[in-house]
Amino acid sequence: AQTVTQSQPEMSVQEAETVTLSCTYDTSESDYYLFWYKQPPSRQMILVIRQEAYKQQNATENRFSVNFQKAAKSFSLKISDSQLGDAAMYFCAYRCPNTGNQFYFGTGTSLTVIP
Amino acid sequence: DAEITQSPRHKITETGRQVTLACHQTWNHNNMFWYRQDLGHGLRLIHYSYGVHDTNKGEVSDGYSVSRSNTEDLPLTLESAASSQTSVYFCASSESASSYNEQFFGPGTRLTVL
Repeated sequence: AQTVTQSQPEMSVQEAETVTLSCTYDTSESDYYLFWYKQPPSRQMILVIRQEAYKQQNATENRFSVNFQKAAKSFSLKISDSQLGDAAMYFCAYRCPNTGNQFYFGTGTSLTVIP
Repeated sequence: DAEITQSPRHKITETGRQVTLACHQTWNHNNMFWYRQDLGHGLRLIHYSYGVHDTNKGEVSDGYSVSRSNTEDLPLTLESAASSQTSVYFCASSESASSYNEQFFGPGTRLTVL
């Protein structure tokens, strides 16, 4: 089975500052996709950003961007200008067409935003 | 607006009872998934379906079953509930099997087995 590792169970950031959440994954595949999902206290899972492995350019979505290092199998999420509404659990996920297209999730990072 | 709903949102049951959790989506998605979420484990795949009458086992399928009789619904059944199945359950759907497509998640069902 594929493994996705999030080594930071908890992180905190001051409002308006920048924070980076780490994610590493294990795969022998070359074609795959990576995702970051946000789960606020409401429990609703929301897609934040996604990256295609064959694209070298890092994905960005407004204040959210990724640092995708394919050789290192690293996929970190950077949140700029952090807002109180960013407080949530963040999950990194991996999906690959050669492994049944299933999603494999990390264990999550709980982000606290300090006013 | 299209959506994915789960019912009930909260359920308390006793060990040994059969329990069915409902999942209904109006996206007309072919692909549907069931996950359980536990502290320290993230989300783990229980069962999934790529279309009507198609079902597949996921990482943690023991003690669970699903059936897909139409596009909109994928009910999850616990044949004989165990305390180890106390968890939060999420249903999800996606448009196609393409790896690029995101999964849309339901609001979750919190199940407690006493």
